[in-house]
Amino acid sequence: TQLLEQSPQFLSIQEGENLTVYCNSSSVFSSLQWYRQEPGEGPVLLVTVVTGGEVKKLKRLTFQFGDARKDSSLHITAAQPGDTGLYLCAATNTGNQFYFGTGTSLTVIP
Amino acid sequence: DAGITQSPRHKVTETGTPVTLRCHQTENHRYMYWYRQDPGHGLRLIHYSYGVKDTDKGEVSDGYSVSRSKTEDFLLTLESATSSQTSVYFCAISESPGRSYGYTFGSGTRLTVV
Repeated sequence: TQLLEQSPQFLSIQEGENLTVYCNSSSVFSSLQWYRQEPGEGPVLLVTVVTGGEVKKLKRLTFQFGDARKDSSLHITAAQPGDTGLYLCAATNTGNQFYFGTGTSLTVIP
Repeated sequence: DAGITQSPRHKVTETGTPVTLRCHQTENHRYMYWYRQDPGHGLRLIHYSYGVKDTDKGEVSDGYSVSRSKTEDFLLTLESATSSQTSVYFCAISESPGRSYGYTFGSGTRLTVV
C-alpha cells in the first residue's frame, strides 16, 4: 500500500503550457517535501512545507500544502524543457523518516 | 554541490554473491540513509543511521545489512544477492531528522543481479 499517491503518473505537455501535479494521502503529515529527479541522478530537494495551507513559490513553481496537511500540489507556469523530470513528493509525521510517492514523470516538448 | 558520493555507479553480480555498496560524505551530517528505487514503488527506505554505529531498519530491510564505523561512510551489504535486489540504490544524508530538513542524495548505484 502506497502511503502517498501522486497523479498523474505521466504528463507530456508543450512548452509554455501550465500544469499541476498532485500528492495525496489519507494520513496527516507534519512536513511535506517536493523533489525533482533527472535521469541517472538522485532527487534534488525543491521545497519543504510544514504549515497547513502554506504556499511557497520558486520562480515558476508554486507549491501548496493542504489545509489538513494530507495533500499537496505543485503548479508549474509556462513550462520549459528544463522542467522535464520526475517529480517526487515525500512526507513525514515523525521527522525520522520520509515516505516517498511513486512520482510524476513530466516531459515538456519544445 | 553537497559532498556525497556513491560507489560503484554500476555493478553486475551473480545470484548468491555478497555485494557491498559504499556511500561517502564530506558534509559531516549525522544522518545517512539507504533507499532503493524501483518502477511502481518509488523510493523505499532500506536502513538508516543516526550516528556512528547507530543504525535502524527501514521498510524493506530484509536481505540487507549496514555498517557505519565513521561519520563519513555508510556501507550497504547484500549478504547473498538475489534477482529481486536488482534496483537503483540511493544514499542520502541529512543534517537533522527534523521535519524542516531535506535530504541530499547521491547519484545512485545501478545494481543488476543475474
